[in-house]
Amino acid sequence: KAGVTQTPRYLIKTRGQQVTLSCSPISGHRSVSWYQQTPGQGLQFLFEYFSETQRNKGNFPGRFSGRQFSNSRSEMNVSTLELGDSALYLCASSVDSGDGYTFGSGTRLTVV
Amino acid sequence: LAKTTQPISMDSYEGQEVNITCSHNNIATNDYITWYQQFPSQGPRFIIQGYKTKVTNEVASLFIPADRKSSTLSLPRVSLSDTAVYYCLVGAVNSGYSTLTFGKGTMLLVSP
Repeated sequence: KAGVTQTPRYLIKTRGQQVTLSCSPISGHRSVSWYQQTPGQGLQFLFEYFSETQRNKGNFPGRFSGRQFSNSRSEMNVSTLELGDSALYLCASSVDSGDGYTFGSGTRLTVV
Repeated sequence: LAKTTQPISMDSYEGQEVNITCSHNNIATNDYITWYQQFPSQGPRFIIQGYKTKVTNEVASLFIPADRKSSTLSLPRVSLSDTAVYYCLVGAVNSGYSTLTFGKGTMLLVSP
């Protein structure tokens, strides 16, 4: 059974650029959530999508956005990158909210 | 969302049983308790979830007292590979409002 797949695994971007990260959930999982993990702030919730609709949103600026497609795959976009956006971005999927989430291995974003 | 409190770190030796306690005084009626394990540069991995009393799976046991204001994750006979950060989370299941709110977690170090 395939797990949650996140691409790319590593990414280096320059300040001011934008980036798009991709997440393919486990087949049959309709809930996809995104998290940012940094050494200082730990794991922080970004947003959750369920059946192509954003159902929950964390406390992040509007530069962070996402979407979910009809096949449940999800993308998140960060515009006007800042140095502080350097982090491990994790995607998690579940059948529905609160079920045992399965996380991907993450995308390590470095902003220089 | 109920806030959780865990010890920052714990030390153990191979073969010992480890019990990590989590406090969640403001747990709501619909909230479940879920534990995740995370290795460096990987996404968290679901360990166990419970609502009350005791839950056991092939990896761990979860003990929840009647008042549900705390819970204890029990890892039997730990090995070096159990060295990781363990997160206790509290939230509703299938509510449409459930997001995973991670605290700082407990860094478990298992020594030979």
